[in-house]
Amino acid sequence: NAGVTQTPKFQVLKTGQSMTLQCAQDMNHEYMSWYRQDPGMGLRLIHYSVGAGITDQGEVPNGYNVSRSTTEDFPLRLLSAAPSQTSVYFCASSSYRGRETEAFFGQGTRLTVV
Amino acid sequence: TQLLEQSPQFLSIQEGENLTVYCNSSSVFSSLQWYRQEPGEGPVLLVTVVTGGEVKKLKRLTFQFGDARKDSSLHITAAQPGDTGLYLCAGDDAGGTSYGKLTFGQGTILTVHP
Repeated sequence: NAGVTQTPKFQVLKTGQSMTLQCAQDMNHEYMSWYRQDPGMGLRLIHYSVGAGITDQGEVPNGYNVSRSTTEDFPLRLLSAAPSQTSVYFCASSSYRGRETEAFFGQGTRLTVV
Repeated sequence: TQLLEQSPQFLSIQEGENLTVYCNSSSVFSSLQWYRQEPGEGPVLLVTVVTGGEVKKLKRLTFQFGDARKDSSLHITAAQPGDTGLYLCAGDDAGGTSYGKLTFGQGTILTVHP
């Protein structure tokens, strides 16, 4: 009963380093998204995907890349980490029933860039 | 860009009191969701409202969607310490290819003192 699994849970990077945040879901959902959460700002959408091979930008995409080669996996890549990318990152997969959405979130990755 | 204004940002009350959290926008949403988030965890869906004027109840929690589908409220009756957490509203514009794209409010940190 895993749902959405994110790894790692914590990460410290130096400015300029690159890394990939992993996200996997086992619910066969077509729709997956990445959000970042900063104090007082709720969650902001970085990138999203409506199916394998299809991705698009969200509200704050700069500095991040995504790909979706399978339904299950949706990794987020930081190309050259900056202190402004210090945040908590959440991956979500979504199901649709008519107009009702239910988003299932992972436990998050707390990233610190020094 | 759709925006959701959530208020208040912080709420500190005594056990047994009632409270209301508001979520307002100038945009129309296909549906609106309320999530609750515990420290170190991802948001967990409480309810989705899809019809203007809709009211849903979940034990001591009452959720309402505005007639014009631009605003929503969460009312908690006789709050308990177990209600403590971060409450988030999120709007979904399911028109076109917006699946899985949620616009979040800034969140309300609720603390209920015994």
